Amino acid sequence: DTAVSQTPKYLVTQMGNDKSIKCEQNLGHDTMYWYKQDSKKFLKIMFSYNNKELIINETVPNRFSPKSPDKAHLNLHINSLELGDSAVYFCASSQPDRSGEQYFGPGTRLTVT
Amino acid sequence: KQEVTQIPAALSVPEGENLVLNCSFTDSAIYNLQWFRQDPGKGLTSLLLIQSSQREQTSGRLNASLDKSSGRSTLYIAASQPGDSATYLCAVGKSNYQLIWGAGTKLIIKP
Repeated sequence: DTAVSQTPKYLVTQMGNDKSIKCEQNLGHDTMYWYKQDSKKFLKIMFSYNNKELIINETVPNRFSPKSPDKAHLNLHINSLELGDSAVYFCASSQPDRSGEQYFGPGTRLTVT
Repeated sequence: KQEVTQIPAALSVPEGENLVLNCSFTDSAIYNLQWFRQDPGKGLTSLLLIQSSQREQTSGRLNASLDKSSGRSTLYIAASQPGDSATYLCAVGKSNYQLIWGAGTKLIIKP
């Protein structure tokens, strides 16, 4: 009965590789998000999708490409991984026309070596 | 540009004390304000959400207040317990989609 789930929880890979992180929510929310939390624990929004449409696209390298096959899923694909991509990536969802409260997944710790 | 500040960055108190965590923001035109808790190596848990039109919200031993005119929110924790130890994050809703985050307050409750 997990509300927002992400896979994998840990991801260790080498520079230059391409990897994907998957996110699913079973809350029936219309909006999903990807956040990056760096080593200083500061959270930054990367993308937001509402009903499968991109609504927020912050200054993120175009090596990062979100994909939303349906409103319950928002996956993050990263090409040509760099050392600076090492961080914890969080997926979240919300229903903006209700409370707007955001619910977070457990995070994916990405380490690029 | 909205900026969110949380003071102090870290706080250590004995078990049983009541405590207040502070969050300040520079632009009073907010959609909502949300307090989260993050345990080490874990995700974020939503604690309380205050809508722009509200002044406070309560859940158990937690009470969050909002004063838009002064750009401040406080999270009050009553009768603190070691299990309350975590990092507490304040996030201000810039719109119904976008949150602007503080850097967090790391709270340690000493048994």
